[in-house]
Order: sequence, then C-alpha cells, then structure tokens
Amino acid sequence: DIVMTQSPDSLAVSLGERATITCKSSQNVLYSPNRRNSLAWYQQKPGQPPTVLIFWASSRESGVPDRFSGSGSGTEFTLTISSLQAEDVAVYYCQQYYSAPFTFGQGTKLEI
Amino acid sequence: QVRLVQSGAEVKKPGSSVKVSCKASGGIFNNYVINWLRQPPGQGLEWMGGIIPIFGTTNYTQKFQGRVTISTDESTSTAYMELSSLSSDDTATYYCARGVRGIEFTSWFDPWGQGTLVTVSS
Repeated sequence: DIVMTQSPDSLAVSLGERATITCKSSQNVLYSPNRRNSLAWYQQKPGQPPTVLIFWASSRESGVPDRFSGSGSGTEFTLTISSLQAEDVAVYYCQQYYSAPFTFGQGTKLEI
Repeated sequence: QVRLVQSGAEVKKPGSSVKVSCKASGGIFNNYVINWLRQPPGQGLEWMGGIIPIFGTTNYTQKFQGRVTISTDESTSTAYMELSSLSSDDTATYYCARGVRGIEFTSWFDPWGQGTLVTVSS
C-alpha cells in the first residue's frame, strides 16, 4: 500500500497569512498516460463530508477560490492557501489515487 | 449535478452486520464508480472499496476482504455497503462517494454522501 504522510499535523496561521501543508507519498504517483500526478487534496469541516479542492496535484476544482493551489510531483506535494480566511479553518487531507487501496494522509488541522 | 443521500444512523451489537444505502439523484449512476469510505470518530479517512454499477465489478481493500459486500440496485440508483462481524473498532462514519473518472477506480472522489454513523456497542 502507498503510505501518505502529511506535515504538520496541525497548523495555526493568522488571517491573511499563507498556509502551507506538505504531503509525501511512499512511492511515485505519476500517471504515465497523461504525465500527471494522481494526488488530490480535500477540505473537511466539522460534521461535514470532505470536499475536493485539488486533483491531478495542481488542478483546482470548479468553484474553489484561487487562494488554494497545489503543487509538487513524484512523491512530494504541497497545498498552499495564499491568504487565510476564517472559513478555511478545517482539516485538510491528501489522497493518492494512483493505485488501490486509495490512501489518505492523516490530516492537517488548520486553525487561526 | 449528482447528489448522494445515505441512510440514517445505526446502532449495532458486536458480531452483527450493518447495511448502509446510498441513493444517487440528479445525474448518471451506472457509469461511475461508487466508493465506500469510513472515518472513525476524530480520525482520518479510509477507503474500503468500490463498485462499477454497470458491470457489478467490485474492488475491495484487503483489510475488509471477506467482511464487506458492496452492491447496487440500478433500478433505484442505489448503492449498498454491508459490513459483517462488527466489532467496536468498526464504529465510524461511513461515506459513499462517486469516482470522477467514470468506470476507472483510480480517481478522486466527488461528490460525497452526507455520511452514516454506525455505532457498535453491546
């Protein structure tokens, strides 16, 4: 199984400041047919299911604010929130969909 | 815009089984993988398996092999997840989620159902 490791486990950032979350995979998740990385980022608020923010490591889901961006390749990936808003308080998860079983990082709790 | 609506919370005894439903509306059902995931209280997300409704093809994670059955009823656009031999470790919120990449299992998940809390307690 591919192990996904996020850092940090929790993060406190001031409003308007940048937040950066890292995700490392235990093996390469590059999908050869399209040369894109099989990595997604989700946001989960208390009592709600996760919602996808980013897929293919850097493609933003429709309707997601452009302050959210994803980058990285191979085994190291980053989610960046450029200017933290109050509504961004949540737990963030990365997920690899390169091979089953599809695995998630342990989550990063983002607070103000 | 497809929407997934799950059945309500369940309380089960150890050793029993639970069957959770996930009804799709507002979009195509048969040609997208329906996945099941779970999240124990205060913990992270775990993928359990999925099904391609049009073919009935399933893919289960090894951890739950032999204990989980995922099925669909195309006539009602409903997917089911049945988990047997329950223990307290199975107490979790169970989610269904559609794969975005059609009949490819290798996909991110969107949308998700609202979740079903299954509590296993004697």
